[in-house]
Amino acid sequence: KNQVEQSPQSLIILEGKNCTLQCNYTVSPFSNLRWYKQDTGRGPVSLTIMTFSENTKSNGRYTATLDADTKQSSLHITASQLSDSASYICVVVHSGNTPLVFGKGTRLSVIA
Amino acid sequence: DTAVSQTPKYLVTQMGNDKSIKCEQNLGHDTMYWYKQDSKKFLKIMFSYNNKELIINETVPNRFSPKSPDKAHLNLHINSLELGDSAVYFCASSFLRASGTDTQYFGPGTRLTVL
Repeated sequence: KNQVEQSPQSLIILEGKNCTLQCNYTVSPFSNLRWYKQDTGRGPVSLTIMTFSENTKSNGRYTATLDADTKQSSLHITASQLSDSASYICVVVHSGNTPLVFGKGTRLSVIA
Repeated sequence: DTAVSQTPKYLVTQMGNDKSIKCEQNLGHDTMYWYKQDSKKFLKIMFSYNNKELIINETVPNRFSPKSPDKAHLNLHINSLELGDSAVYFCASSFLRASGTDTQYFGPGTRLTVL
């Protein structure tokens, strides 16, 4: 069964600190993996998209990694800011009829 | 200059009513989507249209009917609303089909509350 599991479910960190969010998946065949940021009351915004051959991709202070062998991805946030407080959603895309499989997200709170 | 817009932003209605949510994108994209986000914040795709053709039709009740008058619009009509339909509905669009690698752009969402 195609599934995406994210951990932790929620996380609280101090402003300026780094953090890493995890995403494990069982989706096959794999096409690409995406990380989205969703602020409260808003639609998701794409952070990174990685294909099978990409191990890492950065977008400012956000760096995503992908290990297609172990079917794991992580999103690392450097020097967190209050505006990073949001839900981060991992989405794995495959080439089947139901191509997008969503994780339940990690709720990140950055406090001063 | 909004890329993906939805109306209304909030919708409160009684059980049994029929309602529609409209979505428009001005990005020139070929593919549009409807997603449902439940109270636990879990996003799930409902429909995907590519150039007005239905591509993805997830297991949703047939009370939900998407309508695409042209490739810039994908409206969602819901018949006989039920309490369980209460959720936030997001419209999105992209150039390529869902299994491609291009970015999906999401609208601001429509919060539907069924009383």
